[in-house]
Amino acid sequence: EIVMTQSPATLSVSPGERATLSCRASQSVSSNLAWYQQKPGQAPRLLIYGASTRATGIPARFSGSGSGTEFTLTISSLQSEDFAVYYCQQYNNWPRTFGGGTKVEIK
Amino acid sequence: QLQLQESGPGLVKPSETLSLTCTVSGGSISSSSYYWGWIRQPPGKGLEWIGSIYYSGSTYYNPSLKSRVTISVDTSKNQFSLKLSSVTAADTAVYYCARHRDYAYGWFDPWGQGTLVTVSS
Repeated sequence: EIVMTQSPATLSVSPGERATLSCRASQSVSSNLAWYQQKPGQAPRLLIYGASTRATGIPARFSGSGSGTEFTLTISSLQSEDFAVYYCQQYNNWPRTFGGGTKVEIK
Repeated sequence: QLQLQESGPGLVKPSETLSLTCTVSGGSISSSSYYWGWIRQPPGKGLEWIGSIYYSGSTYYNPSLKSRVTISVDTSKNQFSLKLSSVTAADTAVYYCARHRDYAYGWFDPWGQGTLVTVSS
């Protein structure tokens, strides 16, 4: 099983600032990595797939990068609606696995 | 627009079997190349993939749950179902259904809204 490790667990950021979230895989997943955003009481929402491709309707302030074992999600200028929990997920191997999440909170 | 909706009992007794159904609307569950999956999230915790089924019936299960999980599909009703046996309090979670594909297209999208299942006597 591929273990996905996200850091930090919590990120405190002021509105308008940049947020950088990390995701590390225990072995290479190529570019088969997705990012999701989850707000309280809601289902996760797909943000990024293929490590760097934004899903339909996702604002350009969200960007993903990386390949192999190291990945980054960057939110260039945080808006109020971006404060949420973010998860990475690998789909290179079965079983599909998720990271433990990064909570982005208001500083 | 494809939509998924989970349904089933919100309360299950310990040692019994949890049964949930996901109804797909706005598209056919028999579409080739798509898998239909279950993911769960214990209160305040992260996401765990439970298993997935192809429309033809082929299944993949998380090894950590494999001995207790059965996922099936009913193409005539455009539904797929989850059964988790011998449940304990540790199985209390919000259960989501979602669509995905295989190989380099395996992200989950869309998701159902989720349904909370509590295991308690």
